[in-house]
Amino acid sequence: AQSVTQLDSQVPVFEEAPVELRCNYSSSVSVYLFWYVQYPNQGLQLLLKYLSGSTLVKGINGFEAEFNKSQTSFHLRKPSVHISDTAEYFCAVRTRNTGNQFYFGTGTSLTVIP
Amino acid sequence: EAGVTQFPSHSVIEKGQTVTLRCDPISGHDNLYWYRRVMGKEIKFLLHFVKESKQDESGMPNNRFLAERTGGTYSTLKVQPAELEDSGVYFCASSQGTDIYTEAFFGQGTRLTVV
Repeated sequence: AQSVTQLDSQVPVFEEAPVELRCNYSSSVSVYLFWYVQYPNQGLQLLLKYLSGSTLVKGINGFEAEFNKSQTSFHLRKPSVHISDTAEYFCAVRTRNTGNQFYFGTGTSLTVIP
Repeated sequence: EAGVTQFPSHSVIEKGQTVTLRCDPISGHDNLYWYRRVMGKEIKFLLHFVKESKQDESGMPNNRFLAERTGGTYSTLKVQPAELEDSGVYFCASSQGTDIYTEAFFGQGTRLTVV
């Protein structure tokens, strides 16, 4: 089975500061990587995904993530956060070996402080 | 276009009672998934429907959980009898295709609290 590790359960950051949310995965086979965001009282929304090609992927709301195969990481970054970025962020993995199901991390709660 | 809709948004029930959660997928999506997040833990896969058939139910925790998708449209997840450890947020997702590139759309979740 796959596992996804999000070491930071809570990340407070001041408005307009940069942020990095860390994600590491366990698979040694080809993986497809995702970041989802859950705003308060809303569903999970796809932020960005890596399927193939360029290891730097850009998503919505100014977020980007870099796939690093040697470090089995897929960290999420934003150069300048806004109050509206306060939400919970989930890293997820899919592999061809494990069918269509997602394997999620435990989530990182990002709080942007004014 | 309406997204994935889940009812109710919150449910508080007593241990031993029965609860039924409902998910309405995006129209035309044959694939429907249930996931659960127990407090502070990861979101875990429960099962996958293709139309009305259960494609994969390897994540169902025990036989107190029963999922159905009659007619291949909406789905229900029944917990009977509910136990304290069943508390958590239950997410539903749907997708058009089954290949790994197909995006899955998630609902807002049902927060279940068993007291």
